Amino acid sequence: EIVLTQSPGTLSLSPGERATLSCRASQTIISDYLAWYQQKPGQAPRLVMFGASNRASGISDRFSGSGSGTDFTLTISRLEPADFAVYYCQQYGTSPITFGPGTKVDIK
Amino acid sequence: EVQMVESGGVVVQPGGSLRLSCVASGFSFKDYAMNWVRQIPGKGLEWVSLISWDGGSTRYGDSVKGRFTISRNNSANSLYLELKSLTAEDGALYYCVKDIGGGFSGNSYGFDKWGQGTLVTVSS
Repeated sequence: EIVLTQSPGTLSLSPGERATLSCRASQTIISDYLAWYQQKPGQAPRLVMFGASNRASGISDRFSGSGSGTDFTLTISRLEPADFAVYYCQQYGTSPITFGPGTKVDIK
Repeated sequence: EVQMVESGGVVVQPGGSLRLSCVASGFSFKDYAMNWVRQIPGKGLEWVSLISWDGGSTRYGDSVKGRFTISRNNSANSLYLELKSLTAEDGALYYCVKDIGGGFSGNSYGFDKWGQGTLVTVSS
């Protein structure tokens, strides 16, 4: 199975700052089938990005995704209070579908 | 509004079985693949299973293969997960999740809508 590693584990930032989250795969992700999900406490995950760089419906353009092959990045350009959450990357190009362990973005 | 409502989560003994259900609304259920994803509270996400739009293709995570069975009833807009030979490691919140695509050949295109989950506890 493809193992996803996310870094850092925790990112402590202030509102208005830029967040850069990394997701690295143990092998090439087919067709860049890489998604990012946001999860807040007590809530279900929410799709943020799919196909590495396609924003999901209703997601602010402050969110951008990039990367290909084995290295992917989610960038939040100017953090707003609602952005503080845990972010998971996921590869869905190869079965079994796998998730990374998550990056927690918390308020500094 | 797209909505998935899960049910069936209970406290079950090790070695036991149960069936989870999910009723979907707000979209053309028969056109999309569906998934089950689980999460131990406070921990990460684990994909469990996928079923194609017509039920013709199914996929399972390694930890549940041979013990869990996914199925669907498009006439009832419903998704199911049969869980058998349960262990403590199967205790989790189980989410019903809509796929972006139809699941042709068992392939996913990402997960765009999630239910709120149903909690399974495995304990004697």
